[in-house]
Order: sequence, then C-alpha cells, then structure tokens
Amino acid sequence: ETGVTQSPTHLIKTRGQQVTLRCSSQSGHNTVSWYQQALGQGPQFIFQYYREEENGRGNFPPRFSGLQFPNYSSELNVNALELDDSALYLCASSLLQGAIPNEQFFGPGTRLTVL
Amino acid sequence: AQSVTQLDSHVSVSEGTPVLLRCNYSSSYSPSLFWYVQHPNKGLQLLLKYTSAATLVKGINGFEAEFKKSETSFHLTKPSAHMSDAAEYFCVVSPNNAGNMLTFGGGTRLMVKP
Repeated sequence: ETGVTQSPTHLIKTRGQQVTLRCSSQSGHNTVSWYQQALGQGPQFIFQYYREEENGRGNFPPRFSGLQFPNYSSELNVNALELDDSALYLCASSLLQGAIPNEQFFGPGTRLTVL
Repeated sequence: AQSVTQLDSHVSVSEGTPVLLRCNYSSSYSPSLFWYVQHPNKGLQLLLKYTSAATLVKGINGFEAEFKKSETSFHLTKPSAHMSDAAEYFCVVSPNNAGNMLTFGGGTRLMVKP
C-alpha cells in the first residue's frame, strides 16, 4: 500500500454535470499530481500542485481544476462533463526537492463513468 | 517536449523464460526514466528508475533496465518470468527540469503462461 487514498472508488455522472474527486496524500509530501487514464491507455498528466499552488499543467481544458490543502488532501474538479471524460482518475503524491523527479506514490484511482 | 513509445502492446511468455519489454523515448532535456507496473484493481507501483547515475538499473522483483542514450531506449528485462508478473507495464519519462510531471507510454500487457 502506498498510503495514498482516493474517494469515491466509482462514480457515475451524466453529461453536463460537475464532479469532485478527492485524494489524501502521504504525510509530508508537498506535491500532488492528477492523471487521467482512459481504458486501454497510459495515464495522461492533468496538472500538479506544489505547496497548494498549481505549478504544471498538461493538455487539459480549464474545466479541469484542482485544489491542494495544507492537510495533504486535494481535489480534482471537472465541470460540464463530457462522455470522453469517462476514465480512471489517479492521484499521486511525492516530495519535490529541486527539479529532479522523485518517486510518485499512486492511489488506486476513481473510476468515473459519464452517461 | 517528451514522449514515450512502448513497442509492444502485448507480450506473452512462459513461466520461467526471460521477459523483455521494449521502450523508446524522446526528450528535449536530460530525462529521468521509470518503469511502473499496474496490477488489476491496484495502484501503479514503481519498479525502477534511472536518474543519470548508473545506466543499468536494478529494481524490485528481479527486474532491471538499461539506459542507452545512443538508442534512446530503456528496455525492461527479467531473467525468469513468474505467474505473479502478469500485469500492465508502463515506461515513463520526465525531463530533469520538470519536477514530477510524468509522461507515460501506452503500456505493455504482459501475460505469463504456465
């Protein structure tokens, strides 16, 4: 177990709705990243938060947003859901020290289905 | 910009035979490279990482990978497959000036036959 938890495990929404996914990082980790993994594909980087500020973003529209809190928890919010948003959403926490990547610890993911 | 190509979407081996999962990468900057494994209904687990130290990297569960800059490759190997190795494997790159932002390959599903 990585010590990273995510909730809920599964979620079903309809097109146009909004969703909030939650992640609890490992204690002491200052960075959380979110990834989207469509069925049969590798995870794609959505964005990263470092000390509660967004400090990197992948090729995702602004309707994907996030928050990181001082208690090591974080949220991924997606507005105006589209069918293509159906995927496994992974969060990963790490301790960022300088620019060299450190090991990221992944949670088990939230499976989002958009109908 | 960086990208990763995993050359085989599926690899099937017999238990006890060697495993080779192939990965090529491109990166504008000196990269760090990783292999992650994903078992069904479990989170991604780090197998090994290369961060510009020794080019032959040893990981968990008997896996190792060799960084070859001239070939832009980072292939994953294991001398003898075990049934428990059946899983999805991802080759991952991150430029060494990009913190923890990872770019994943498409994955290779490893099947192990008894």
